This record gives sequence, C-alpha cells and structure tokens, in this order.
Amino acid sequence: GAGVSQSPSNKVTEKGKDVELRCDPISGHTALYWYRQSLGQGLEFLIYFQGNSAPDKSGLPSDRFSAERTGGSVSTLTIQRTQQEDSAVYLCASSYSGHSTDTQYFGPGTRLTVL
Amino acid sequence: AQRVTQPEKLLSVFKGAPVELKCNYSYSGSPELFWYVQYSRQRLQLLLRHISRESIKGFTADLNKGETSFHLKKPFAQEEDSAMYYCAVRAALIFGKGTTLSVSS
Repeated sequence: GAGVSQSPSNKVTEKGKDVELRCDPISGHTALYWYRQSLGQGLEFLIYFQGNSAPDKSGLPSDRFSAERTGGSVSTLTIQRTQQEDSAVYLCASSYSGHSTDTQYFGPGTRLTVL
Repeated sequence: AQRVTQPEKLLSVFKGAPVELKCNYSYSGSPELFWYVQYSRQRLQLLLRHISRESIKGFTADLNKGETSFHLKKPFAQEEDSAMYYCAVRAALIFGKGTTLSVSS
C-alpha cells in the first residue's frame, strides 16, 4: 500500500516568508508526528497528533511553528517568518495507534532552504 | 529529562569486522527503545525494537537497564550496512543525533 507522502519534496524560500509543508499519513493510522532533521542536530521531535486528542506541541521550537491535522488525516506544518536556522529536512511519520511500541513509518521528507 | 546519547558521530569499520553502535538513554519509567536506519537516498525506517527481541539483518540490541544502554551490535559488518543509525526512545520518539556507519572492504 501507499506509504507516508510529503509535499513539496523541496522548498526554497526567502527569509521572512511563511511556508506550509504537507503530510499525508498512511490510511488508518491515528498517530502522526513531525520531526526536523538537521546537520549536527540529528532528529528533533516537533509535534505529535493522536486521534482527536489535543496535540503534543512540546517540541515546537518557537511560536512561529504551528501544525494542524484536519479530519484526522492530512497534516500541515506551518512556519511563519522563516529564518535561516529553519533550514532542514522536515520529516513526517505515522503509526497505527500511537502506542509506545508502535512502529513509525516515515515519509521522504521536505527539504526546506531559507535564503 | 528524556535524552538519548549516541557518542559516535562516525564509525568506520572494515567488512567482516564486528560493529557496535552505542546508545545510552535517560528516561523516567519503562523505556521503549528502537533503532532506526536511513540508507543513502532512502527513508528513515525501523531496524529493530527492544520489545521484539529480534535480529534484523544480523543486528541485535540488548536493553541494559543498569547501564541505561541499548547498543546495536553485529558480529560481521557488510558494506550494505553503511547508513545513518538513530537510537530512539518512547512513543513520540526522542532520537539521538545519529551515528554514521561506514563499512569499507
């Protein structure tokens, strides 16, 4: 079946602009995660959605970052007033139930470059 | 605070040599631990998790609660094992910074 998909695959933007990154999880997966992968920092947890519960936003680095998950499926990560330090690969993952032992399935990522 | 430490950024070994990628964690409660792998130009994917006690592609990892470690081991490295390896803990995964494994012949 189809895996997690993300769009766009690459995004180049100018400092100060807003960007939206999209994630389509695997159908039927109730849990969705966003991570940021940057050189020297490894993988950084950003936000976690589980069903209809309030999202865990504890990893968002600043209030310029926000995310939504509509209808329990597609999610959008928005970065406002982008800064050069936001340049990274943004990864989305989904899992069946969000249980701590669940396997997370990752998308290919969106490479964001802020000039 | 929850934390995962992978002390080696890069580990270079020769084909056929044993490999051990180190992972130490700090976590309150019973940890769920995972190793994820990212091969060149591929997606990040699960390699193995401690609860399954499995061997995948010849790799094993044992949870040592006393030493708070979950080191990944393989007795004989292959060139196709070259990749970035991440140790992670818990549901919303807390990842280490990753170790690049390079296996040369």
